[in-house]
Amino acid sequence: QLQLQESGPGLVKPSETLSLTCTVSGGSIISSDYYWGWIRQPPGKGLEWIGTIHHSGTTYYNPSLNTRLTMSVDTSKNQFSLQLTSVTAADTGPYYCASQRLVPATTTNWFDSWGQGTLVTVSS
Amino acid sequence: DIQMTQSPSSLSASVGDRVTITCRASQSIANYLNWYQQKPGKAPKFLIHAASSLHSGVPSRFSGSGSGTDFTLTISSLQPEDFATYYCQHVYSIPLTFGGGTKVEI
Repeated sequence: QLQLQESGPGLVKPSETLSLTCTVSGGSIISSDYYWGWIRQPPGKGLEWIGTIHHSGTTYYNPSLNTRLTMSVDTSKNQFSLQLTSVTAADTGPYYCASQRLVPATTTNWFDSWGQGTLVTVSS
Repeated sequence: DIQMTQSPSSLSASVGDRVTITCRASQSIANYLNWYQQKPGKAPKFLIHAASSLHSGVPSRFSGSGSGTDFTLTISSLQPEDFATYYCQHVYSIPLTFGGGTKVEI
């Protein structure tokens, strides 16, 4: 079973850049079965998919965040990361990283292992 | 974007009850539909993929059905540990989106 752990600052000032890293253990980030995703949850609201990255560097971003979002992967450290620029209070909430399991030869996929989440607050 | 609408947004139930949650997609998504369970302060837990395939280790009292635009998650006999919020999610196209959630309360 994969384990994932988010890390990064819990407090970010408005207009600055949010940077988070997810460390994967219990398996390799270089796996043909997996992509790697970020999901967030605005306070009191539902889940929002942020984006997904493959160990090759291929990325898929939520169009609503596309202009502010960059995701990257460091295979030597078994980590993947996100950077979200120009943050506002609307970017506050818990952020989760997750493994995104793929079914070969299909587009079926799901988030099967999740980090515990890290709370990010955007405030001056 | 494909919108996912869950109903009800909350429900009250008792241990042993049969509970059904509905998820409707704004367009056909075939069976590209997942379900998750989330308890307060915790990360979501994966339950079902492809509308009806139970994830390993998930109790058999959980089941999913549907295709196209209409889907259901059923808990055949509600247990104390099942009180939580449930989310559907489509994986048919980008962006992936989740339903608004259904909170199952006592």
